[in-house]
Amino acid sequence: EDKVVQSPLSLVVHEGDTVTLNCSYEVTNFRSLLWYKQEKKAPTFLFMLTSSGIEKKSGRLSSILDKKELFSILNITATQTGDSAVYLCAVEPFGGTSYGKLTFGQGTILTVHP
Amino acid sequence: GAVVSQHPSRVICKSGTSVKIECRSLDFQATTMFWYRQFPKQSLMLMATSNEGSKATYEQGVEKDKFLINHASLTLSTLTVTSAHPEDSSFYICSARGGVLYNEQFFGPGTRLTVL
Repeated sequence: EDKVVQSPLSLVVHEGDTVTLNCSYEVTNFRSLLWYKQEKKAPTFLFMLTSSGIEKKSGRLSSILDKKELFSILNITATQTGDSAVYLCAVEPFGGTSYGKLTFGQGTILTVHP
Repeated sequence: GAVVSQHPSRVICKSGTSVKIECRSLDFQATTMFWYRQFPKQSLMLMATSNEGSKATYEQGVEKDKFLINHASLTLSTLTVTSAHPEDSSFYICSARGGVLYNEQFFGPGTRLTVL
C-alpha cells in the first residue's frame, strides 16, 4: 500500500521567515510526487516532480525530490500571510489501473503571522 | 490551466435522502475523473476512479452501491450519495485529467455535504 508522511503537521511562523516542509513516501512503481496548496476549497497545484535533484521554482516557492531517500521538500522563502494554508504532498504510481491514483499525506498546516 | 467545476458547492439534506454531485471539465475532455472525500482536519482520500463510458473502480472500503458514479460523457461525471447518513457528511472533491494536459490532474472546487 502506498504511503505518504508529511512533517511537521503544523507550523507557525512570522512574515519574512523561511519554511521547509517535508514529505517522505513509499510507493510501488513511482511516477511522480506532487505538491498542492489547499486553502478553504480544493487543492491548487504547485509542483510535479519526477526526477531526483532537479529543483523546481515558482516565485518564492521551490521544491526538490530525492528518489534514493524517498523524500521531497517544499521551501517557501520570505513567507507572507497569504501563504497560510494546508500544504499537501501526494504520490502517483505508474501504470495500469493505478495510473493517476494519488495518495495524499496528512498535510502541513502553515500559519504565517504578520 | 484547465478548469473543473462542481455543483452544488454546498448541500444540506435530511438523513435517508440521496444527493447528486456533478463534476464538469469546462475546457477539456476528461477521459478520467477521480472522486475524493476529505473529512475535517484530514487529508484527501481517493474513493473511486471513473473512465468515460466504463464502470467506476472503487477503492477498498468504499461501498459502490452507496456511492454511485456515472461518467457518461467526456465532460461530466456524477457522484450520487444514496440514502445519506450523518456520517457521510464530508467535503467531496473531484479531479479530472485528459486531453493535451493528460499528465496533470485538475481539481474541482469541492462540494460540502451536510446530512442532518
